[in-house]
Amino acid sequence: NAGVTQTPKFQVLKTGQSMTLQCAQDMNHNSMYWYRQDPGMGLRLIYYSASEGTTDKGEVPNGYNVSRLNKREFSLRLESAAPSQTSVYFCASNQQGASYEQYFGPGTRLTVT
Amino acid sequence: EDQVTQSPEALRLQEGESSSLNCSYTVSGLRGLFWYRQDPGKGPEFLFTLYSAGEEKEKERLKATLTKKESFLHITAPKPEDSATYLCAVHADSNYQLIWGAGTKLIIKP
Repeated sequence: NAGVTQTPKFQVLKTGQSMTLQCAQDMNHNSMYWYRQDPGMGLRLIYYSASEGTTDKGEVPNGYNVSRLNKREFSLRLESAAPSQTSVYFCASNQQGASYEQYFGPGTRLTVT
Repeated sequence: EDQVTQSPEALRLQEGESSSLNCSYTVSGLRGLFWYRQDPGKGPEFLFTLYSAGEEKEKERLKATLTKKESFLHITAPKPEDSATYLCAVHADSNYQLIWGAGTKLIIKP
């Protein structure tokens, strides 16, 4: 039982490059989330998927797109990376909605130069 | 505006020295308050959920309490392995998303 897995663990991009962060969970959870974590700030929600087939914007969606590929997998795409997107990205999942505890992946540390 | 503030930003204690971390919140209506622990280079790990004022939950050396304005995470006789960043998050009536505090970095010296 791996829980929530994320790939890659580290990535360096040049401004304007694109990339996709992958996330998978094996807990049969309905909801999945993408957060970014920056120094001195709380986790900020980028996008979430309440259930398979649905996605919604969070607090900071600009510059990102997501795909809920199936119940297990939820990917985050940066179409044209900017230095402001340098951050640590976490994927999380839970049974359904914000009332339930969330389970987090190990994170992806992204640097955009 | 819904807001969550954690204090202090950092706390250094000697092993065995008990203390408390604070999470104050201003929300329209509280559905739940969550505490998480985050080790360096890892994702947050769930500790507790509190739903109503007066509620308390315990796990090993940690006890979380809740009032109508704030939550405390009390740590009793801490050990070096309790060193981590502790995050607080609130689920409010007005918001599907969790509102996260910036965290308190706890360092326990042997």
